[in-house]
Amino acid sequence: EAGVTQSPTHLIKTRGQQATLRCSPISGHTSVYWYQQALGLGLQFLLWYDEGEERNRGNFPPRFSGRQFPNYSSELNVNALELEDSALYLCASSFGNRGLKNIQYFGAGTRLSVL
Amino acid sequence: RKEVEQDPGPFNVPEGATVAFNCTYSNSASQSFFWYRQDCRKEPKLLMSVYSSGNEDGRFTAQLNRASQYISLLIRDSKLSDSATYLCAVDDMDTGRRALTFGSGTRLQVQP
Repeated sequence: EAGVTQSPTHLIKTRGQQATLRCSPISGHTSVYWYQQALGLGLQFLLWYDEGEERNRGNFPPRFSGRQFPNYSSELNVNALELEDSALYLCASSFGNRGLKNIQYFGAGTRLSVL
Repeated sequence: RKEVEQDPGPFNVPEGATVAFNCTYSNSASQSFFWYRQDCRKEPKLLMSVYSSGNEDGRFTAQLNRASQYISLLIRDSKLSDSATYLCAVDDMDTGRRALTFGSGTRLQVQP
């Protein structure tokens, strides 16, 4: 069974541009989470989508946004890129509110470099 | 104070050694706890969920101490392949957040 898949693997952008990252959850999972892991730092929660709705967001500016599609895949958009947005962006999926324990499984990530 | 704290290490241990990591959390209402393993520049991989009664999976044992608000991970008979960063994660289900709050990780280096 396929795990969480993310694309692209690497993304190089320049300051001020927009980046779009994509994630497909494990089959049967309805929740998708986005995390940012900057070099040398821990994972920081960005966004949570469940059943097509944004359920919660972390302490990030509004230029970080996304959506979840009817097939539960998700997109993360980062507008007006800044140098400090360079990081590994990880997507995770789970059974969401239907799961007693929120066990999250991660994709391999998209490494975003902002020049 | 950080919500989830871990000793960053590194822990340098010889093969065959037993090593233990602790992770403290600040929200006494936290419900679910996990240990993940992360290899360099890779995604975190779920190692174990931590249950209130504690649980064991082969060489790995996880414990939860609610009174002192910490979870622990014990690795017995360390292998070279255990070298990685170990992340603890806490899920605050009661707040409805459903996000995992991660510690910054403890680096383990197992040496021959």
